[in-house]
Amino acid sequence: GDSVTQMEGPVTLSEEAFLTINCTYTATGYPSLFWYVQYPGEGLQLLLKATKADDKGSNKGFEATYRKETTSFHLEKGSVQVSDSAVYFCALSGGSSNTGKLIFGQGTTLQVKP
Amino acid sequence: EAGVAQSPRYKIIEKRQSVAFWCNPISGHATLYWYQQILGQGPKLLIQFQNNGVVDDSQLPKDRFSAERLKGVDSTLKIQPAKLEDSAVYLCASSSDRGRVGAFFGQGTRLTVV
Repeated sequence: GDSVTQMEGPVTLSEEAFLTINCTYTATGYPSLFWYVQYPGEGLQLLLKATKADDKGSNKGFEATYRKETTSFHLEKGSVQVSDSAVYFCALSGGSSNTGKLIFGQGTTLQVKP
Repeated sequence: EAGVAQSPRYKIIEKRQSVAFWCNPISGHATLYWYQQILGQGPKLLIQFQNNGVVDDSQLPKDRFSAERLKGVDSTLKIQPAKLEDSAVYLCASSSDRGRVGAFFGQGTRLTVV
């Protein structure tokens, strides 16, 4: 079945450092790919998305490119802030099941220190 | 636009008791999801509705969990009887297009079973 694998955390960075969180997926068909962010005590917020190969999703300085050849959707940000500290989830929908089910990775915790 | 509303935010019950969670999706969203998020893990789909019909309930423990979506709008998720391992955050989400461009999540209900 479809699945998403993320790099394990926690990821600890200093403010203004470069961020990469790796995400790879397994799916047949042409899934949509997402990054969600979860701040402490809150629900998931959609951060960015890409619906077809080579699309780049971007929001709030974060970006990720849908790479079908490497089945990857890595999240990047050029300069992180303390306020970016949260748990980040990679997800897909519309793969082999095609029901619109969202399948999530296990999450990666990001801690940004001043 | 109002977001996904969930209640209650927190609930503590004893094992073998019953509990119910309520969700009101974004207006006009035909797809509604219930996810279970255990601490330190990614959300796991329990059930997905399209209007008031069930699309996917393959991971719903049907001996103790039930869900309904009357009139294709609000939804209720019930657990009866609860077990210790049901302690988790229960997230409701909705989508306008079967998740193709993402789903929007409520703040969740944190359930503690003691």
